[in-house]
Amino acid sequence: TQLLEQSPQFLSIQEGENLTVYCNSSSVFSSLQWYRQEPGEGPVLLVTVVTGGEVKKLKRLTFQFGDARKDSSLHITAAQTGDTGLYLCARRGGSQGNLIFGKGTKLSVKP
Amino acid sequence: KAGVTQTPRYLIKTRGQQVTLSCSPISGHRSVSWYQQTPGQGLQFLFEYFSETQRNKGNFPGRFSGRQFSNSRSEMNVSTLELGDSALYLCASSLVRPSFNYGYTFGSGTRLTVV
Repeated sequence: TQLLEQSPQFLSIQEGENLTVYCNSSSVFSSLQWYRQEPGEGPVLLVTVVTGGEVKKLKRLTFQFGDARKDSSLHITAAQTGDTGLYLCARRGGSQGNLIFGKGTKLSVKP
Repeated sequence: KAGVTQTPRYLIKTRGQQVTLSCSPISGHRSVSWYQQTPGQGLQFLFEYFSETQRNKGNFPGRFSGRQFSNSRSEMNVSTLELGDSALYLCASSLVRPSFNYGYTFGSGTRLTVV
């Protein structure tokens, strides 16, 4: 099973701090998606990365896909309370299109 | 336009009962996928329906079933409920069969508690 391991599992920081969360696999994957899920809601797609070494920025969020396409990271600069949520990475499950998710990093940003 | 609508939002059932959850996809979306989310296992794929046909199925027992209607609305059914079925059930719709070119839009989920 080509699992996605996310770390850390939990992260609690103060507003204004920077943070990085990670998504790793023992297998190469062709592309990866990052989602954010707020309490009581479904996941919302943030970004899709497809090329090894790719870096994408979404305001204060920076997503990186590892050169070997086995890992990815999400860096948040100057975290805000609105960044609180569960950050999930997902890869495509074979040719059928369903997503395989990591278990997520639960981020809490305190004012 | 309206997003993915799941009903009900919350549900409490007793062990042994059966339950039906409903999902209305975004207008025009033809694919509906269902996921189960628990604290221990995270998000796990249940099944995908496209054009009223089940196209893909995850590793869940036969107690979990679903269907899709001609208007693309979907229902999932869980029979003989067990305590471990307590979870957030998420529905996701896609314009065509899901891929990384055509991503999902998730609904807010149905929180099922089995007592």
